[in-house]
Amino acid sequence: NAGVTQTPKFRILKIGQSMTLQCTQDMNHNYMYWYRQDPGMGLKLIYYSVGAGITDKGEVPNGYNVSRSTTEDFPLRLELAAPSQTSVYFCASSYSPTTSGANVLTFGAGSRLTVL
Amino acid sequence: GNSVTQMEGPVTLSEEAFLTINCTYTATGYPSLFWYVQYPGEGLQLLLKATKADDKGSNKGFEATYRKETTSFHLEKGSVQVSDSAVYFCALSQGGSEKLVFGKGTKLTVNP
Repeated sequence: NAGVTQTPKFRILKIGQSMTLQCTQDMNHNYMYWYRQDPGMGLKLIYYSVGAGITDKGEVPNGYNVSRSTTEDFPLRLELAAPSQTSVYFCASSYSPTTSGANVLTFGAGSRLTVL
Repeated sequence: GNSVTQMEGPVTLSEEAFLTINCTYTATGYPSLFWYVQYPGEGLQLLLKATKADDKGSNKGFEATYRKETTSFHLEKGSVQVSDSAVYFCALSQGGSEKLVFGKGTKLTVNP
């Protein structure tokens, strides 16, 4: 089972460039999430989606965009990259918490982004 | 709003020592509580969970009990191994919510 797959694993960007972090899951989860992880700060939710065609902002959405055209894919786009976006990005997915009883997330391995 | 507070790290122990990582939470109602673990270079994975008061979650020798009276969910293991070296995150979700709130994480290093 592949689970949650993120690409690329590492990327260096120059200030002002744009890029897309790819995320795909093969578990037929309807919920998907993007988090960023900064040292000593835990995980902050950027965007999430409860199903294809539906997305919503999390705690730190500024500077990012998402789309969810299929159940499997949830790409995260960075427009006009800034040094403050240097971070490790994690994609995750889950079943609906209302059907599973608790919101258990499956995470990808992460994408380390550096903006110089 | 909901929040999770974990003990500051890093924590360094010798193999076979007893581990406690404290976690307290602030939430209305009855949240579900989780411990996730992140091994070096990997994503987070669920270690254990508890969905109601007095529930005990357990996995791989780790345990945590949902204490509503003290709003706590402390992680314990009786005898740690080098392979337990990782970052541990406490988290909560508010009943039926799609959003998890994470603590800042506690880095554990176990020396042989």
